[in-house]
Amino acid sequence: EVQLLESGGGLVQPGGSLRLSCAASGFTFSSYTMSWVRQAPGKGLEWVSGISGSGGNTYYADSVKGRFTVSRDNSKNTVYLQMNSLRAEDTAVYYCAKDISATKPYYSDYWGQGTLVTVSS
Amino acid sequence: DFVMTQSPDSLAVSLGERATINCKSSQSVLYSSNNKNYLGWFQQKPGQPPKLLIYWASTRESGVPDRFSGSGSGTDFTLTISSLQAEDVAVYYCQQYYSTPPTFGQGTKLEIK
Repeated sequence: EVQLLESGGGLVQPGGSLRLSCAASGFTFSSYTMSWVRQAPGKGLEWVSGISGSGGNTYYADSVKGRFTVSRDNSKNTVYLQMNSLRAEDTAVYYCAKDISATKPYYSDYWGQGTLVTVSS
Repeated sequence: DFVMTQSPDSLAVSLGERATINCKSSQSVLYSSNNKNYLGWFQQKPGQPPKLLIYWASTRESGVPDRFSGSGSGTDFTLTISSLQAEDVAVYYCQQYYSTPPTFGQGTKLEIK
């Protein structure tokens, strides 16, 4: 059974940093692209970032490029999202999601339960 | 980026009736070399993560009831629920994956009339 468990969310001040983690199990982790998708309170879905199965290719939405960094440790079956220079508009539930592709973000067939990030003073 | 526009924003349908949600892409998501439409549909119930329903525009994910179907090609797509059940109350999103970044429609809220 595929399981994705996010952690690391919380309250942070504007300009601050936070690192999200997503521990995966139930599939061959290194064979799949992993994505982060966020959802602001009461709003729709926004794809944020993705990383290929090997970790060699990373992808970002323009809204977070230069501020967020995605990485993965295939030995620990874990993907990370380092979020710096956080803004109020980054407030959202952040979902970790398994993609169907090994190389680039396509669509996600499994999603975690999400972790809430709140950026506020 | 590809802009995905869904219609309507909200929809109320009687139990047992058909529900239809439309999704229009700003550019074609049909890849000519394999004749596949890079378009998926997701269902999200309150307090839950999204759930994949349909991929390649019309392929139902394993375990999804056959009352859910997807159709369309190029820039115009439709998600149809043939006979609405109470458990289908949710927000539905289309998503293109033809181009990076993947982009979602704004969502359609489906309720019972």
